[in-house]
Amino acid sequence: EAGVVQSPRYKIIEKKQPVAFWCNPISGHNTLYWYRQNLGQGPELLIRYENEEAVDDSQLPKDRFSAERLKGVDSTLKIQPAELGDSAVYLCASSLGAGSTEAFFGQGTRLTVV
Amino acid sequence: GQNIDQPTEMTATEGAIVQINCTYQTSGFNGLFWYQQHAGEAPTFLSYNVLDGLEEKGRFSSFLSRSKGYSYLLLKELQMKDSASYLCAVRPGGYQKVTFGTGTKLQVIP
Repeated sequence: EAGVVQSPRYKIIEKKQPVAFWCNPISGHNTLYWYRQNLGQGPELLIRYENEEAVDDSQLPKDRFSAERLKGVDSTLKIQPAELGDSAVYLCASSLGAGSTEAFFGQGTRLTVV
Repeated sequence: GQNIDQPTEMTATEGAIVQINCTYQTSGFNGLFWYQQHAGEAPTFLSYNVLDGLEEKGRFSSFLSRSKGYSYLLLKELQMKDSASYLCAVRPGGYQKVTFGTGTKLQVIP
């Protein structure tokens, strides 16, 4: 069975440009997470979905970040416009449910804003 | 708020045993995770402790003391491939978000 799939793996953009990341969670997993991980730091939650509903987006910078999970499966995270400080690895993870003891992470998208 | 502390870096010798500590201060507690993350890779799940005590899984064991807000990950018979970052993460309660520590970068040397 395929794990969590993310694309692209790497993205380099100029500041002020838009960028989007895509995530396909493990089949049957209702809970989907987007994390941001800066170099030398642990992952920081940006948003959590239960099916198609965003239930925790308190850490998402809503002035420039947006996310959607249509039909409760795939998800897209967008940044518009990107800033230099947005350079990080964006990780998607999924689990059977919010109370699950294990979340499975994708390989991440490494974003570099120049 | 949530506060999780781990050593930044550790070095250990191949074949030896290493203990990576994690202390936490959270508003409520509903479980502690350990993840392994190789450079440039995704975190992978190692263990989940919700009750006090030691849980062993092959070469890796995880210990939890809820009263002390303390956990450790014990790696035995270290192998070169164990060189990675080890992330401690805490679920404060219920469906609240899991908070990660900054991770401990372990280097295994010959």
